[in-house]
Amino acid sequence: GDSVTQMEGPVTLSEEAFLTINCTYTATGYPSLFWYVQYPGEGLQLLLKATKADDKGSNKGFEATYRKETTSFHLEKGSVQVSDSAVYFCALFMDSNYQLIWGAGTKLIIKP
Amino acid sequence: DTEVTQTPKHLVMGMTNKKSLKCEQHMGHRAMYWYKQKAKKPPELMFVYSYEKLSINESVPSRFSPECPNSSLLNLHLHALQPEDSALYLCASSPRWGMNTEAFFGQGTRLTVV
Repeated sequence: GDSVTQMEGPVTLSEEAFLTINCTYTATGYPSLFWYVQYPGEGLQLLLKATKADDKGSNKGFEATYRKETTSFHLEKGSVQVSDSAVYFCALFMDSNYQLIWGAGTKLIIKP
Repeated sequence: DTEVTQTPKHLVMGMTNKKSLKCEQHMGHRAMYWYKQKAKKPPELMFVYSYEKLSINESVPSRFSPECPNSSLLNLHLHALQPEDSALYLCASSPRWGMNTEAFFGQGTRLTVV
């Protein structure tokens, strides 16, 4: 079945470091891909999305490119801030079953 | 207005209580969702309403009873819950169920069953 695999956390970085959170997926069709962020004690917010191969989603300095050949959607940011500390979820949406399939989430901790 | 508003933010209830969670959106979305999220886990889909009709019930126990009174409101009625039902309950909406667009989430209700 469809699935999303994210790198295990927590990921701990110093402020201004480069961030990569890996996300790979398994799907029989052509899903849309999303990154959601959950700050401590809050709900989920959409961070960015991509709907077809080679699309790049970007928001708040974060980027991710939909790579069909490697079935990946890795999240990157050039210089992280303490305020980026949160849990990041990769998800895919399949038209075939109309549902979001979630990764396990990756906790990011940024130290000053 | 791009918000999904959930009330209350926190709820503590006994196992014999009856309570309701409320969710409201004014974005004109016709699909609304209830999710349950345990600590350090991704959200789990519970129910989907499409055009005010229940479209998906993910085998949720009957002690959870959803209701969609109109296109802007979604309720979750709780009765005879168990301690293991303690979790963050998230409401979400999207323009249409099945459309290839993102879901907008509320801040959640943190439920503790004692």
